[in-house]
Amino acid sequence: EDQVTQSPEALRLQEGESSSLNCSYTVSGLRGLFWYRQDPGKGPEFLFTLYSAGEEKEKERLKATLTKKESFLHITAPKPEDSATYLCAVQAGQAGTALIFGKGTTLSVSS
Amino acid sequence: ETGVTQTPRHLVMGMTNKKSLKCEQHLGHNAMYWYKQSAKKPLELMFVYSLEERVENNSVPSRFSPECPNSSHLFLHLHTLQPEDSALYLCASSQAVTGGGGDTQYFGPGTRLTVL
Repeated sequence: EDQVTQSPEALRLQEGESSSLNCSYTVSGLRGLFWYRQDPGKGPEFLFTLYSAGEEKEKERLKATLTKKESFLHITAPKPEDSATYLCAVQAGQAGTALIFGKGTTLSVSS
Repeated sequence: ETGVTQTPRHLVMGMTNKKSLKCEQHLGHNAMYWYKQSAKKPLELMFVYSLEERVENNSVPSRFSPECPNSSHLFLHLHTLQPEDSALYLCASSQAVTGGGGDTQYFGPGTRLTVL
C-alpha cells in the first residue's frame, strides 16, 4: 500500500535556527514527490516537485532533496513568516491520478 | 481571476439542505480534483476528472455528487450530509502528462463546510 509519513508532527524553531523536515514514502512507480505549504484556513501552496533520487531544488530559504525512500525539506535561517504546515505528497501510477499526502509538519518560528 | 478559484469560501448547511460547491481553473489544465481535508487527517482524494471524464472515485458516499461540464469547471453537489462531513473541501487542477514525470497539482483556497 502506498504510504507517506512525515516527521516531526510539529517543530518549534527560533528565528535563524536551521532544521529539516522529513518525508518517508513507500510507493510503487514514483512519478513525482511534491512539497506544499499550507497556511491556516487556506489551500496548499505549491513549493517543489522532485522526480528522481538525487534531485535537489531550492527556493529562498527552502531546499528540497530526494532519495529512493525519503525526502527532506531543509529550512535555512527561518523567519517567523515561514511558520505554516508543510505537506509532502507522492504520485504514482498514471498521469492525472491522485496525490497521496502525509499528515504534514506544523512549523512555528518565533522571533 | 488567476489560478484556481472556489466558491463559496464558507458554507453552513443543515442535514436536509442541498447545496453545490463550485471550482474554476484559469490555468488551461486538463485534469481537476476534489479533495477533503479533515482535522488531524491527511488530504483525502474524493474525485478525479481527466479530460472531463471521471477517472477515479475514491469510495465516496453518494450524498456527494461531482459534475465536470468542461475542463475549466468542476462542481460538487451536496445533499443529505452528516455532521461528520464538516471539513475543508479543496479543488485542484493539473496538466496530466502521459509518459514519465509527475503532474503538479495546484489548489484553490477551499470551501469550509459546516454541517449542523
